[in-house]
Amino acid sequence: NAGVMQNPRHLVRRRGQEARLRCSPMKGHSHVYWYRQLPEEGLKFMVYLQKENIIDESGMPKERFSAEFPKEGPSILRIQQVVRGDSAAYFCASSFPNSIYGYTFGSGTRLTVV
Amino acid sequence: GNSVTQMEGPVTLSEEAFLTINCTYTATGYPSLFWYVQYPGEGLQLLLKATKADDKGSNKGFEATYRKETTSFHLEKGSVQVSDSAVYFCALSEGSGGYQKVTFGIGTKLQVIP
Repeated sequence: NAGVMQNPRHLVRRRGQEARLRCSPMKGHSHVYWYRQLPEEGLKFMVYLQKENIIDESGMPKERFSAEFPKEGPSILRIQQVVRGDSAAYFCASSFPNSIYGYTFGSGTRLTVV
Repeated sequence: GNSVTQMEGPVTLSEEAFLTINCTYTATGYPSLFWYVQYPGEGLQLLLKATKADDKGSNKGFEATYRKETTSFHLEKGSVQVSDSAVYFCALSEGSGGYQKVTFGIGTKLQVIP
C-alpha cells in the first residue's frame, strides 16, 4: 500500500542541464499536483494534471518547465536548461477526484543546481 | 482569490507548553480546511481537517475548530513534545474551475526545546 513515490530524492544538475522529476501517485488516485518549495518559503502551486491532461498550469513558469501525466507510467516534471534559481524542493501530491479530503504528498525531490 | 494567512515563525516553546498557531483564510465559498505537518527532510503529512463550519479536527493531541464567523482555523495542542518540532501548514480546499484547488499558507516552524 505504497503512498506517493517520488524519485530521485536528491538531484544535482549543472547549469544548462535538464532535470526530470518523477512521481507515481498513490494507488487509486487519478489526480496529480506539483508544488515547489523554495528555502524558507511556503509551497507554491505549479500544475495540476489528470491522466493525459493538464487541468491547471497557472503556477508553471512560462519557459523551460513542462509536466505530463501519461496514460501509463509516472507523472514527470521536466525542467530544461536549469538555472541556480531552480534549486528547490519539488513535491508531488495526489488525490481522488474530489480533494475535499486533502492530498497525499510524496517525500519530495530536492534539486540542487551547481 | 483564495488565501491563507498564518503566523510567522519560528515559534519556540518549552516541552509541555501550550501551543497555538493562528490561521485565517479568505475564500469565496465554503472551503474545507486542513493542517499539514512537515518534519525535517520529509514531505507534508495531513495532520487534521474540517469540512464544514463548527467542525473540530483532531489528531495526535492537536485540534483545530472551523470558525466561519472569524474565518479562522487555529491549531492548538495542550502539551507539546520535542517530537512535535516541525513546520505546520494551514491550507484550504475550494472548488475552482471544476476542481478542488488547495491553497497553502507560508508555514510556521515550531521548535520545542527540552
